[in-house]
Formats: sequence, C-alpha cells, structure tokens
Amino acid sequence: AQKVTQAQTEISVVEKEDVTLDCVYETRDTTYYLFWYKQPPSGELVFLIRRNSFDEQNEISGRYSWNFQKSTSSFNFTITASQVVDSAVYFCALSEDDTDKLIFGTGTRLQVFP
Amino acid sequence: EAQVTQNPRYLITVTGKKLTVTCSQNMNHEYMSWYRQDPGLGLRQIYYSMNVEVTDKGDVPEGYKVSRKEKRNFPLILESPSPNQTSLYFCASTTGVGNEQFFGPGTRLTVL
Repeated sequence: AQKVTQAQTEISVVEKEDVTLDCVYETRDTTYYLFWYKQPPSGELVFLIRRNSFDEQNEISGRYSWNFQKSTSSFNFTITASQVVDSAVYFCALSEDDTDKLIFGTGTRLQVFP
Repeated sequence: EAQVTQNPRYLITVTGKKLTVTCSQNMNHEYMSWYRQDPGLGLRQIYYSMNVEVTDKGDVPEGYKVSRKEKRNFPLILESPSPNQTSLYFCASTTGVGNEQFFGPGTRLTVL
C-alpha cells in the first residue's frame, strides 16, 4: 500500500538556521513521482518540486535542496539559512504511475523565529 | 493567468442543506480532483475525473457527488452535509499522471 510519512509534526528554528524536513514513502510501484508542496498561513498550496523515481539526482534551487534516496525510500527537503517567510506547513506527496491521485503526508509545520 | 478557481471561499451552513462548491480551470487540463484537508490527516482525495463524463471515487467519497459535464468545470456536491464534512476543500487539475497538480485557493466549509 502507498503511504507517505512525515514524522516531524512541528519544527521551530531561529532565522538563518538550516532545517531538514523528512519524508519517507512506501510504494510497490517501480515508477512513481514525489512532490513537495508548501502551505503558507494564507492557506494556498504552492508547488515546490517534482521528482520521478528514475531520477535520483539531488536538486538545489536557491536556499532549497532535496535529497532523494531510493535505498531508504526518503525524499528529504532542506532549507538553508531559513527566513521568517519560510514559516509554513510543508507537505510531501507521492503519486503512482497509474493514477493522478496524490497521497499526502500529514505535513510538517515549520516556524522560523526572527 | 493560468489558474484554478473555487467558489465560495468560505461557507457556513447547517446540517442537511444541499450545497455545491464550484471549481473551474483555464488550462485545458484533462485531470481534475477534489481533496479535503483535515488537521493531522493531510490531504485526502475525494473524487477525481480523467476527462469529461469520466469520474471515479478517491479515498473518502462518502457523502459527496461530482460531475464533469465540461472539461473546465468540476463541481463538488454535498447533498446532505453533516458536521463531519467540516473541512478545507481543494480542487486540483493536472495535465496527467505524475505531473504537477495545480490547486485552487481552497474552500473552508463549516457544517453546523
């Protein structure tokens, strides 16, 4: 069965600290897709990244980076030099090859204090 | 501007009073979905549609109906709302399996 686990319910950091949000997934498919979405206090869902199961390259986008490791079924997200504007709930999600359904984790609430 | 719109954004209603939440996308996407977000549960898919007149149940379809008569619209219908349907609802659309899903701004529904 498919499942996404975000074990960290809430994380608090002080501005400029680095923070890593963990995501562990379960799937029997060999072809699947992983996503991260950000939900700021305003409530909308903002797409951050998409990865397919055949692309294990890590990705960096500004202060954001993602570490995809199939061996541990993890797709972790790191924010470097965090800022107050990074405060949000972050969701990791999985979709398999035969459906457009996104299976979401329960989210990690990140609070960045000045 | 490419977007998914939902209306209303906020709704307070009473048990048993039928309501419809509209969803419209202007990106010519074939796939559309409805999700509900509840604290501690993340988002869960309610219904999805792969094309006009093609709909199917997601993980939590009980108490909901949908229709897809036009490609751009995918309304969510609660025929007899109950308090356990109080939630934040999101409509989403995508070009296909594995691609980015575009989400609407959300509809916060309270059923008293």
